[in-house]
Amino acid sequence: DAGITQSPRHKVTETGTPVTLRCHQTENHRYMYWYRQDPGHGLRLIHYSYGVKDTDKGEVSDGYSVSRSKTEDFLLTLESATSSQTSVYFCAISELAVWTDTQYFGPGTRLTVL
Amino acid sequence: GIQVEQSPPDLILQEGANSTLRCNFSDSVNNLQWFHQNPWGQLINLFYIPSGTKQNGRLSATTVATERYSLLYISSSQTTDSGVYFCAVESPGDSSYKLIFGSGTRLLVRP
Repeated sequence: DAGITQSPRHKVTETGTPVTLRCHQTENHRYMYWYRQDPGHGLRLIHYSYGVKDTDKGEVSDGYSVSRSKTEDFLLTLESATSSQTSVYFCAISELAVWTDTQYFGPGTRLTVL
Repeated sequence: GIQVEQSPPDLILQEGANSTLRCNFSDSVNNLQWFHQNPWGQLINLFYIPSGTKQNGRLSATTVATERYSLLYISSSQTTDSGVYFCAVESPGDSSYKLIFGSGTRLLVRP
């Protein structure tokens, strides 16, 4: 299994508070991704990174920001959490670009915004 | 953007039965992957298969890119095969780096 950890694994927070989720990998892969999984929508890409300090938006990026200061860490921040951001968040990594390579997923973080 | 449809949405099998899951996509693809999400939520990559056929134990997959579909075969199903199976694609017609997921096939294998 690819060495991917996510923290925290579960979090309950209140509307309006900032929240940061962390993804850590030990594979030294260049590409990292954040997805959210919701009933009826499957997995949707939030943001991705193609290198240190190189990030770009996915299809559902509003209300989220990311940072990648080291190869092994990719942070997802909810600037001001809303109830619509209650979801399960998955981090993924790939050694090569998405069009040529396999993605490996972390265990997920279940976030509840009250 | 590219559309990904999976069928059937739900499937119930008796242990030992075989099954075929289908993934249709609306445009040409560079990448197609099959994932299994187990009942504990973990997503596990099964196949990277933009074209051709691959086999791994009781599982095999075939992608016919020219006809825009992929099939996942599960033989001699076991209760541990239960979960949701996702097909995901990346299309050159969409923006780079987007892996688009289908809505999944939920499989329950009964003992």
